[in-house]
Amino acid sequence: GESVGLHLPTLSVQEGDNSIINCAYSNSASDYFIWYKQESGKGPQFIIDIRSNMDKRQGQRVTVLLNKTVKHLSLQIAATQPGDSAVYFCAEMVAKLVFGQGTRLTINP
Amino acid sequence: GAVVSQHPSRVICKSGTSVKIECRSLDFQATTMFWYRQFPKQSLMLMATSNEGSKATYEQGVEKDKFLINHASLTLSTLTVTSAHPEDSSFYICSARDGGRGLRGYEQYFGPGTRLTVT
Repeated sequence: GESVGLHLPTLSVQEGDNSIINCAYSNSASDYFIWYKQESGKGPQFIIDIRSNMDKRQGQRVTVLLNKTVKHLSLQIAATQPGDSAVYFCAEMVAKLVFGQGTRLTINP
Repeated sequence: GAVVSQHPSRVICKSGTSVKIECRSLDFQATTMFWYRQFPKQSLMLMATSNEGSKATYEQGVEKDKFLINHASLTLSTLTVTSAHPEDSSFYICSARDGGRGLRGYEQYFGPGTRLTVT
């Protein structure tokens, strides 16, 4: 069935290091994927998206990688900053947006 | 651009009463709006999808008579939680899709959420 999951519920990184947040999806028919950032008490904020005809897309300090063979999606954040602390959700578009479980990213000073 | 607002941001109501949450697209016309519910430390779960001028489509397990959705205009959708109970306490988030953006038609813009507490 439709499901989008994350390998790790929490991730702790040192400030300045790169962060990698992973996501697994199960529906091979999904053609659009999005990463969202959600800070405490706020709505999700769009970070970056990728279509299924691509395997990599870069934004400002963020990169999304898509591996359709193993149905895996990752978000890489370069030079992680304290302001990156949040819960990160991957989402998969299959007629509707299906959210993964979320990974809480904490930054150690 | 593409700002979605919600009102109120927080609401506390007594058990058995009804509460209305508004969702507005401020700078675009939202042909489709979505309502999500998020319990603490959990993901967003879609409750219903509404298209302007038509009845909402509810996800399985969501009571349509309890969660009334009205999408009367291209910039406003409302969610009314009727006869609220403590288990309805949650974070309610709306989202809107910009029908005018052909190339970015998949994009959904999220509101800031409404924290509902039922006592």
